[in-house]
Amino acid sequence: DSGVTQTPKHLITATGQRVTLRCSPRSGDLSVYWYQQSLDQGLQFLIQYYNGEERAKGNILERFSAQQFPDLHSELNLSSLELGDSALYFCASSVVGINTGELFFGEGSRLTVL
Amino acid sequence: GENVEQHPSTLSVQEGDSAVIKCTYSDSASNYFPWYKQELGKRPQLIIDIRSNVGEKKDQRIAVTLNKTAKHFSLHITETQPEDSAVYFCAAIGGGADGLTFGKGTHLIIQP
Repeated sequence: DSGVTQTPKHLITATGQRVTLRCSPRSGDLSVYWYQQSLDQGLQFLIQYYNGEERAKGNILERFSAQQFPDLHSELNLSSLELGDSALYFCASSVVGINTGELFFGEGSRLTVL
Repeated sequence: GENVEQHPSTLSVQEGDSAVIKCTYSDSASNYFPWYKQELGKRPQLIIDIRSNVGEKKDQRIAVTLNKTAKHFSLHITETQPEDSAVYFCAAIGGGADGLTFGKGTHLIIQP
């Protein structure tokens, strides 16, 4: 158990819909990262938050948004869903930033868009 | 931003033999290079990392080497065992604030 909690574990929805994925980082970790994992693209970095502020942005679509709340949990919002958004979405956390050490991943949220 | 290339995509070795996975990166300012292991249906977990001021790091059967001039780094696993079967990802963090960039992964298969 990494200490990072993600909900829901599985989600099936239809094209055009909107979903919210939730992540609670390890106790004491200030940084939260979101990654998308699909079969042909590996682990794609989406976005990073540090202590409530956006720190870095990767290949995140405009239809996607995220935020980190004062209690440090984070939510990833995916809207106008397309078939190609079907993937495993991982949240990870670290104490401060990546250069200071390990990323701890949650178990992931598997999104299926039909 | 950073770009990480990883080879091979699939590697099959006999149990007991060595396995080598290679990665190249594009950003010369990158200074941190972790390797993550992902077993089937599980989350990625850090197995070893190396920083740019070190050329080699070893932890029991696994080792990582870094060549900053050539901008490549490699994972070496010796005396492979069935539990080494997994997908391995290399990663690098660029000089800018662009997060940790992963390679596309290597599926390591240990043949009995």
